Amino acid sequence: DTEVTQTPKHLVMGMTNKKSLKCEQHMGHRAMYWYKQKAKKPPELMFVYSYEKLSINESVPSRFSPECPNSSLLNLHLHALQPEDSALYLCASSQALHGPSGNTIYFGEGSWLTVV
Amino acid sequence: TQLLEQSPQFLSIQEGENLTVYCNSSSVFSSLQWYRQEPGEGPVLLVTVVTGGEVKKLKRLTFQFGDARKDSSLHITAAQPGDTGLYLCAGAAGAQKLVFGQGTRLTINP
Repeated sequence: DTEVTQTPKHLVMGMTNKKSLKCEQHMGHRAMYWYKQKAKKPPELMFVYSYEKLSINESVPSRFSPECPNSSLLNLHLHALQPEDSALYLCASSQALHGPSGNTIYFGEGSWLTVV
Repeated sequence: TQLLEQSPQFLSIQEGENLTVYCNSSSVFSSLQWYRQEPGEGPVLLVTVVTGGEVKKLKRLTFQFGDARKDSSLHITAAQPGDTGLYLCAGAAGAQKLVFGQGTRLTINP
């Protein structure tokens, strides 16, 4: 069973709505990530947080706004999304950014987002 | 840009057969991970390989990391219908970026 928990599992939102995806891990990991996955494609990196600070933003549109309130939580705030933003959003974590085993990344089960 | 070429993209075989999935790159990776993903679920980690030439076994699955840490393979012996799924290789490319292969969609027919 995954130790990265994502809520909600499914979300349907209109283009004018504001919603948030939530992610939690209790493995003591200090790096957390958001990925986006479209059907039949591999996951694409969106954001990386290290020690609660944003370290990578892969040129993601500002309608996606990440937040890391503490080392266990990661949120993704959504506003004014487009239908093409519909996808599986995956949260992940790893022990640290560097180190012999620090690169192993564990994924949550994902949040299915549909924008109508 | 670091790329991982995964092959084959699709594979459909009969139960009991053996198969191998390949991930190849011209770049060196500090580690490489294999994941299995069911429809509508997140990728589940199968193994991480770190050392060039490393071989890891997980029941009927054998993972190998190339000596130069540029390629990897996944071999499944006596495939079962429960092995059906999307298999993803992903290489660690520094700064905590994972470079994913395009995935292999495996179907094991009873």
